[in-house]
Amino acid sequence: EPEVTQTPSHQVTQMGQEVILRCVPISNHLYFYWYRQILGQKVEFLVSFYNNEISEKSEIFDDQFSVERPDGSNFTLKIRSTKLEDSAMYFCAGRAGGPTDTQYFGPGTRLTVL
Amino acid sequence: AQSVTQPDIHITVSEGASLELRCNYSYGATPYLFWYVQSPGQGLQLLLKYFSGDTLVQGIKGFEAEFKRSQSSFNLRKPSVHWSDAAEYFCAVVPYNTNAGKSTFGDGTTLTVKP
Repeated sequence: EPEVTQTPSHQVTQMGQEVILRCVPISNHLYFYWYRQILGQKVEFLVSFYNNEISEKSEIFDDQFSVERPDGSNFTLKIRSTKLEDSAMYFCAGRAGGPTDTQYFGPGTRLTVL
Repeated sequence: AQSVTQPDIHITVSEGASLELRCNYSYGATPYLFWYVQSPGQGLQLLLKYFSGDTLVQGIKGFEAEFKRSQSSFNLRKPSVHWSDAAEYFCAVVPYNTNAGKSTFGDGTTLTVKP
């Protein structure tokens, strides 16, 4: 069965550094998402992406965040200048069609900001 | 305000006992409803989903959930819990008739299974 993959599985960075989290969605998916989960808390929506543009973003997704689908296969989340509070698990997700379609989640990238 | 509530932060059941995890939502129109399971250090796995039709839905791993419109609830059940069911369970909703289709998650319920 096709899977969403994410790299790296764990990223450690210094505060103020830029990080790029990478996701390879399932090939026939059209809608893409990033979510984050701070340790011990619930999963929070960051951004949705469709047709090469952001369709919705949360208040968490400020100017420090950006997303890109540079080559039609990878889907990336960039944090320009990381803060301690960005430490979390970041999940990529995708779905093929409308909102009744299943969202498939990747295994996540654990980001640790020191 | 739109919200998803899982009233139980932590539930402990004995192996072989039945399980019910509660989920309530507050939305203008009935949203699409989902249950996910997350094992420690893992991603989210979809257990089941409800959009319309039969209000009792069957999922993977022997789970089922019942949608009750009058109670704005979508509770997850399993007749006989196995030790491997110990995990975090999240109820999630996707608003009806929205193309962006973002999921809003509840706070989660941690399930512990006693031998």
